[in-house]
Amino acid sequence: EAGVVQSPRYKIIEKKQPVAFWCNPISGHNTLYWYLQNLGQGPELLIRYENEEAVDDSQLPKDRFSAERLKGVDSTLKIQPAELGDSAVYLCASSSEPGGQETQYFGPGTRLLVL
Amino acid sequence: AQKVTQAQTEISVVEKEDVTLDCVYETRDTTYYLFWYKQPPSGELVFLIRRNSFDEQNEISGRYSWNFQKSTSSFNFTITASQVVDSAVYFCALIGIQGAQKLVFGQGTRLTINP
Repeated sequence: EAGVVQSPRYKIIEKKQPVAFWCNPISGHNTLYWYLQNLGQGPELLIRYENEEAVDDSQLPKDRFSAERLKGVDSTLKIQPAELGDSAVYLCASSSEPGGQETQYFGPGTRLLVL
Repeated sequence: AQKVTQAQTEISVVEKEDVTLDCVYETRDTTYYLFWYKQPPSGELVFLIRRNSFDEQNEISGRYSWNFQKSTSSFNFTITASQVVDSAVYFCALIGIQGAQKLVFGQGTRLTINP
């Protein structure tokens, strides 16, 4: 069974440019998460989707970040415009059931460098 | 509020030594789940174990074992006869079911196994 797929794996952009990350969850997983991982830290939740509905986006900086999961399968996270402080790893995860008690399986992440 | 503390930032041992990674947590939820993830240099978070708050039985999986003690709010991870391939950053995480249902990670412990 394929795991969580993310692309691109690496992205280098100049500040003020837009950037987008894509995630395809494990087949059949209705819950999808986007996390931000700064260097030397644990991941922090940005947004959680149940199917196509964003049920927790309280940690998403909505002035520059946006996300969508239009058909309840794959998802895109966008930053516009990017700032130097956005340099980090963006991780996507999925789980089979809502509510949190199910194990979250993570993708390889997208490592973003903003110059 | 929920919190996970991994006091050991870095650990370095020689191959074949046993090593224990500490994890202490805080939560007001009576029902919660604890996790350990491994993050090798490739960046992907690999799920190792999930334990619910009602199951204090220790678990052993090959060279890995976990000691869950509610009395001390700890969920420690021991690697027996460590190998170079065990080198990675290890994260302990917690999710409470009654509250925000958000997976909270510790800061991680970087484990280096030297040949």
